[in-house]
Amino acid sequence: SAVISQKPSRDICQRGTSLTIQCQVDSQVTMMFWYRQQPGQSLTLIATANQGSEATYESGFVIDKFPISRPNLTFSTLTVSNMSPEDSSIYLCSVKEDGAMNTEAFFGQGTRLTVV
Amino acid sequence: GQNIDQPTEMTATEGAIVQINCTYQTSGFNGLFWYQQHAGEAPTFLSYNVLDGLEEKGRFSSFLSRSKGYSYLLLKELQMKDSASYLCAVGDYGQNFVFGPGTRLSVLP
Repeated sequence: SAVISQKPSRDICQRGTSLTIQCQVDSQVTMMFWYRQQPGQSLTLIATANQGSEATYESGFVIDKFPISRPNLTFSTLTVSNMSPEDSSIYLCSVKEDGAMNTEAFFGQGTRLTVV
Repeated sequence: GQNIDQPTEMTATEGAIVQINCTYQTSGFNGLFWYQQHAGEAPTFLSYNVLDGLEEKGRFSSFLSRSKGYSYLLLKELQMKDSASYLCAVGDYGQNFVFGPGTRLSVLP
C-alpha cells in the first residue's frame, strides 16, 4: 500500500495570506486527489492533480483559489490562496495505486488549517 | 447528480452488533467503499464491494445491492476502539470518490 507524507500537519494562518500543502508518495502513482473536510462534515473532492497538465477541478473550486502543482508522479502541492476563515478545514491528499481499475484510495494524514 | 445518504449518528454497546446503512444515487458506479475515520485522523480503508452480495472481513462485513442503490456495513463484537466515523463512498468513472456525509458511531461500555 502507498505511504503518503503530507505537510504541514497543521497551521494557523492570517486571513489574506496563502498556504502551500505538500504531498509526497513513496511510489509513482498516476492518480492523486485533493479533498477538503470541513468541521464535522465528510470529504469533498477539490481537484484531481494531473502530472504534466493542469489539475481538473470540481464544481465550486477554481484554480485561482486552489492552485495545484504536480511536477512528477510522486509529488503534488495544493495552495490555499487569499485565505478567509471559511477556508478553515482539513485538507487531505489521496492517491490510488496504478493497475486495477477499482482500487482503494490511500490518504495522507491531512493538514488542519485554521484561518484567523 | 450525486447523492449519498447515511445516518448521522449511531450508538451501540460494547460486544453488540451494529449495521450502518448507506443509500446512493450517482451518475457513475465503480464500486462501493467503506472507510473508517477516527477523530483527527485520515480515513482508512475497510471494505469494497463491486458485485451484489456480502463481503466478510473479520469483524466487519459489507453488503451491496446495486439494483437498490443500497449498502450496509456490519460491525460485530463491537469494541470501544470502533468509536469513529464511518464513510460510505462510491467510486465513479472518473477514478475518484464521492463520499457520503459519514456516520458517527459511539460505542458505550
